[in-house]
Amino acid sequence: KAGVTQTPRYLIKTRGQQVTLSCSPISGHRSVSWYQQTPGQGLQFLFEYFSETQRNKGNFPGRFSGRQFSNSRSEMNVSTLELGDSALYLCASSFGGREDEQFFGPGTRLTVL
Amino acid sequence: AQSVTQPDIHITVSEGASLELRCNYSYGATPYLFWYVQSPGQGLQLLLKYFSGDTLVQGIKGFEAEFKRSQSSFNLRKPSVHWSDAAEYFCAVGALNAGNNRKLIWGLGTSLAVNP
Repeated sequence: KAGVTQTPRYLIKTRGQQVTLSCSPISGHRSVSWYQQTPGQGLQFLFEYFSETQRNKGNFPGRFSGRQFSNSRSEMNVSTLELGDSALYLCASSFGGREDEQFFGPGTRLTVL
Repeated sequence: AQSVTQPDIHITVSEGASLELRCNYSYGATPYLFWYVQSPGQGLQLLLKYFSGDTLVQGIKGFEAEFKRSQSSFNLRKPSVHWSDAAEYFCAVGALNAGNNRKLIWGLGTSLAVNP
């Protein structure tokens, strides 16, 4: 079956703009988690959605938001982009149980100029 | 505070040699522990996980890890490394929130190079 897909794969924006990233989970998965990966900070948890509800969140400012649709697809939005938002954004899907494996997508590489 | 430490930023081994990647964690409760591998241009792939039970866990690609509660460690091992094992390796702990939902807290990773 198809894996986790993320679009777009690459994105270049300028400071102050906003951006929306998309994640399509594996069929049947109801949980989608988002992570930010940077060389300095490593991987950091942003938030998790399950059945269209945010049920877990990390320590990121309110500029970072997300949502999940009824088909489990998820979007992540970053408003008022800053240079420090340049990163690889990864999403992961799972069935949603706390012992279920998370499957990761290839990521979206965001560059903020 | 919850954290994961991977003391080795970069390791180089010869093909066929044994490998051990270190991971130490700080977590107040019984941890859920994971090792992931990330190859260039690839997504993260789960190598193995520990939730409970036998402290020596077997994973894919010939990897194993041992959970040592007394040392707060979860080191990854492989008896004989292959050139295709060159990649970035991440250790993570699954931290539960008040709603019993898990988020992954990650180490900074260990970059593995394999000499032919």
